[in-house]
Amino acid sequence: GQQVMQIPQYQHVQEGEDFTTYCNSSTTLSNIQWYKQRPGGHPVFLIQLVKSGEVKKQKRLTFQFGEAKKNSSLHITATQTTDVGTYFCAGPQGSARQLTFGSGTQLTVLP
Amino acid sequence: DGGITQSPKYLFRKEGQNVTLSCEQNLNHDAMYWYRQDPGQGLRLIYYSQIVNDFQKGDIAEGYSVSREKKESFPLTVTSAQKNPTAFYLCASSAGPNSPLHFGNGTRLTVT
Repeated sequence: GQQVMQIPQYQHVQEGEDFTTYCNSSTTLSNIQWYKQRPGGHPVFLIQLVKSGEVKKQKRLTFQFGEAKKNSSLHITATQTTDVGTYFCAGPQGSARQLTFGSGTQLTVLP
Repeated sequence: DGGITQSPKYLFRKEGQNVTLSCEQNLNHDAMYWYRQDPGQGLRLIYYSQIVNDFQKGDIAEGYSVSREKKESFPLTVTSAQKNPTAFYLCASSAGPNSPLHFGNGTRLTVT
């Protein structure tokens, strides 16, 4: 079936190291959204990418949307302990085009 | 201060009982959603509503029911037919299709 795959499931990094999570869809997406969920919290919207090949930056975070609009990545430069949490990608799939979430990448930053 | 309010934060029920989770929003959003999150997993869509008095089943609607009598409110009932009801339930709203989701703080339901 239609799904959004996300890797890795877990990532432990030393503070200051970089981090990347990847998202792949079985279908072409009209857009892709990224969310962050802090431990014990709820998902919070980070960004939406719409155009093929689009790259957006938010301070140390860089988001990319693939040329074929089937994959995306989130890269964090020089991680900090405040980056801890689970990062989800989500894209509209199915006949109703409702958001389907990836399984998330849980980031742990070691001080 | 606009947002989504879910209550209660923690809920405990005995097996065989129905339980209703509350979700209220004052963002004036047309669309509302219920997601279920299990430990270490992503979010799975239970039900969604794009307009008052209308709602649609998501990917895992069995054992759940909803109503959308008011724009601001989208309560979720977890029925006794739901085989594994213990989970973290998240309500969300959006301005429309393809718009970002705004989530409530969630309700953690434990059924024993």
